[in-house]
Amino acid sequence: QVQVVESGPGLVKASETLSLTCTVSGAQLNRQYWTWIRQTAGKGLEWIGRIFSTGTAEHNPSLRSRVTMSVDISENQFSLQLSSISAADTGVYFCGRESRESNSFFSGVALWGAGTTVSVSS
Amino acid sequence: NLVLTQPRSVSGSPGKTVTISCVGSGGNIVTKFVQWYQHRPGSAPTTIIYKDSERPAGVPDRFSASIDSSSNSASLSISGLVTDDEADYYCQSYDLDNQGVFGGGTKLTVL
Repeated sequence: QVQVVESGPGLVKASETLSLTCTVSGAQLNRQYWTWIRQTAGKGLEWIGRIFSTGTAEHNPSLRSRVTMSVDISENQFSLQLSSISAADTGVYFCGRESRESNSFFSGVALWGAGTTVSVSS
Repeated sequence: NLVLTQPRSVSGSPGKTVTISCVGSGGNIVTKFVQWYQHRPGSAPTTIIYKDSERPAGVPDRFSASIDSSSNSASLSISGLVTDDEADYYCQSYDLDNQGVFGGGTKLTVL
């Protein structure tokens, strides 16, 4: 059974960089798209970005300048870094696997992690 | 850029049917696949519809979805409402650059 589990610090100081890791079990990272989504305080779901197993990444334009994503094939993990954190970034961060069809169309998040809560302190 | 607009809340009685709309603006909703997710607070979201109208294994056929190109919208219908259906429901699609876009979410209350 394929599972993804998020990990990272529950508390980050404002202006610092948030680093989260998603560990994949039951499947290899190779040839798959892996995604980060968040739900900030009082708001809905927001797509942060995705990364392919080769390291090619795409980010939400509204966050692009602050987002860095990476993969570690040997550890079967992928990671998210979000810089210049502020209170607006407080929320729950989910990692997951995003499906892509043979016609190259994406078809959503097929596998979700349970999420990890991030709070920002001043 | 594509924006997906959902009603903030809908409600229905047990056994009845509710429909949640997802209206696209700034882009054509039929260009990319639309998904629907169920999200209960404190839990991971679950996919209930993908590729516009497909249901993952284990999702009951009480959940159905469709696309209306004339109104540039998608809709999710839930029939035979049960109290366990109470949750937030999100539509999701992609803009022309394949960036993911979520609707604002709809809170379903089963009265």
